[in-house]
Amino acid sequence: EAQVTQNPRYLITVTGKKLTVTCSQNMNHEYMSWYRQDPGLGLRQIYYSMNVEVTDKGDVPEGYKVSRKEKRNFPLILESPSPNQTSLYFCASSLALASSYEQYFGPGTRLTVT
Amino acid sequence: QKEVEQDPGPLSVPEGAIVSLNCTYSNSAFQYFMWYRQYSRKGPELLMYTYSSGNKEDGRFTAQVDKSSKYISLFIRDSQPSDSATYLCAMSGDTGGFKTIFGAGTRLFVKA
Repeated sequence: EAQVTQNPRYLITVTGKKLTVTCSQNMNHEYMSWYRQDPGLGLRQIYYSMNVEVTDKGDVPEGYKVSRKEKRNFPLILESPSPNQTSLYFCASSLALASSYEQYFGPGTRLTVT
Repeated sequence: QKEVEQDPGPLSVPEGAIVSLNCTYSNSAFQYFMWYRQYSRKGPELLMYTYSSGNKEDGRFTAQVDKSSKYISLFIRDSQPSDSATYLCAMSGDTGGFKTIFGAGTRLFVKA
């Protein structure tokens, strides 16, 4: 089954404790992206990757890091989480940047930072 | 002012009603106009997309784009309780990086 998977689905952590949210897709997609979803603000892009070893900042990159060492994986790293990073996070992928109008989303990771 | 404005609702309608969901935008460079549906505790899924102006129909769903007014709509005919979800409009250009901008989403409840 073609899908985007994320882990963990739920995470409660404390301020400053480094964490990684994994994202994997099995569709051989070149383009991958991370979003956060907050009430009233919709989906905002954090980082995106056009291909292996090619990443760039989205609209809200502060406090996040990403890497793209393999085509299928695109982990999101919070090196020192803060309470304002409490949010619902989605990983998404599309065939290529030019077809990013058709993105496939993962199930989401609900992160709470206390 | 946000690039994409969408009424958050909630919108509550009886089963069988015609639903109209709308978004306005400010960036005239947008060329792709998408509607995503998001069920509770799930990721968004693409419902349909339109390139440039015009209408597109898919079963009970019709998407309309009016670039002159910077206004897009999604119509749902014969609405069903299973249509209850949050509907997100989204837009992107075909130049300048294809960046996708999402609306905040409209929550729809269809009552049986």
